[in-house]
Amino acid sequence: KAGVTQTPRYLIKTRGQQVTLSCSPISGHRSVSWYQQTPGQGLQFLFEYFSETQRNKGNFPGRFSGRQFSNSRSEMNVSTLELGDSALYLCASSSSRDRGRNYGYTFGSGTRLTVV
Amino acid sequence: AQSVTQLDSQVPVFEEAPVELRCNYSSSVSVYLFWYVQYPNQGLQLLLKYLSGSTLVKGINGFEAEFNKSQTSFHLRKPSVHISDTAEYFCAVSGATDSWGKFQFGAGTQVVVTP
Repeated sequence: KAGVTQTPRYLIKTRGQQVTLSCSPISGHRSVSWYQQTPGQGLQFLFEYFSETQRNKGNFPGRFSGRQFSNSRSEMNVSTLELGDSALYLCASSSSRDRGRNYGYTFGSGTRLTVV
Repeated sequence: AQSVTQLDSQVPVFEEAPVELRCNYSSSVSVYLFWYVQYPNQGLQLLLKYLSGSTLVKGINGFEAEFNKSQTSFHLRKPSVHISDTAEYFCAVSGATDSWGKFQFGAGTQVVVTP
């Protein structure tokens, strides 16, 4: 069974540009969550999608957005990149759909974004 | 809302010695508790989780953790570590319902195993 696949693994962008990261969940998983990991702030929740609907959102500015497609694949977009957006972005997927119970999430290996 | 405190940022340990990583949490609702491990340049791998039932939870790679509700703790232990256990370990908590993919992670504990 294939795991959570994130592409690309590494990305270098210039300040002011925008970027799109992709996440393919485990087959059959319909919930996808995104996290940002930085040395200073640690792991922070960005948002969660289920059946193409955003159900939960963290405290990030509107420059951070996401979406989910009918096949459960998800993308996140960051516009007007800032140096502080440099981070490892992790995606996690789960088949759990029962009242938001978080006990089945599997994480991908992440996309390392560097903003220069 | 929940919060997590990992009491040690770095734990040095000799190979074959035991290790304990400490985690305390706070929450106004029932919670699920997790320990994840992250190896360099990789994502998070689940070691074990506490959902309900027995307070002693056994996970992969010989790790175990004990849930203590009165002390709001979920400490991780391994009786004998290997060099390959060198990694960063994260304690995480989520509400038992209505959490919708959101975990609160601790700051992490770096475990360095030396021969």
